[in-house]
Amino acid sequence: EPEVTQTPSHQVTQMGQEVILRCVPISNHLYFYWYRQILGQKVEFLVSFYNNEISEKSEIFDDQFSVERPDGSNFTLKIRSTKLEDSAMYFCASSDSPGTGTYEQYFGPGTRLTVT
Amino acid sequence: LAKTTQPISMDSYEGQEVNITCSHNNIATNDYITWYQQFPSQGPRFIIQGYKTKVTNEVASLFIPADRKSSTLSLPRVSLSDTAVYYCLVGLLYNQGGKLIFGQGTELSVKP
Repeated sequence: EPEVTQTPSHQVTQMGQEVILRCVPISNHLYFYWYRQILGQKVEFLVSFYNNEISEKSEIFDDQFSVERPDGSNFTLKIRSTKLEDSAMYFCASSDSPGTGTYEQYFGPGTRLTVT
Repeated sequence: LAKTTQPISMDSYEGQEVNITCSHNNIATNDYITWYQQFPSQGPRFIIQGYKTKVTNEVASLFIPADRKSSTLSLPRVSLSDTAVYYCLVGLLYNQGGKLIFGQGTELSVKP
């Protein structure tokens, strides 16, 4: 069964450093998403991406965040200058339609980001 | 997006049927009801989706009454591996750009 993959599984970085989280969505999917989950809290939407541009972003997704699809397979999330509060599990997801009533997004295993 | 309310936690024993009810009083005509499951340290996983009456797949059943103001996810004969957080989501994604809005979910603990 096709699956979303993410690398690395765990990233430790110092405050102020830039990090890039990588995702390989399911190959025939067209819509891509990033979510995050702070330990013990709910899953929060960050950004959706379609046709090489951001479709929607949340308030969390400020100027420190950016997304890119540098080639035909990877989807990346960059945090320019990490803060302690960026420590969380980051999930990539993909789907083959924006909805029309269906909610099936396929999530990756996540990258645990620890900012020290 | 319709607001959802579900129990924060539930306990069960192996082999029992578990029913998790979600309230969504202000569900709109075009909204669907979808449930996701999340195991510890993993991403959420789609379980089931429905619009009305009953939907069944190999994992669960979803019961939706005629007024659609609530729904019940039914897990038959749970095992220890069903210990997870279960999320009820209601809405029509098309107009919201596809994002999923998760609540706190119901933390199901299955004991031997």
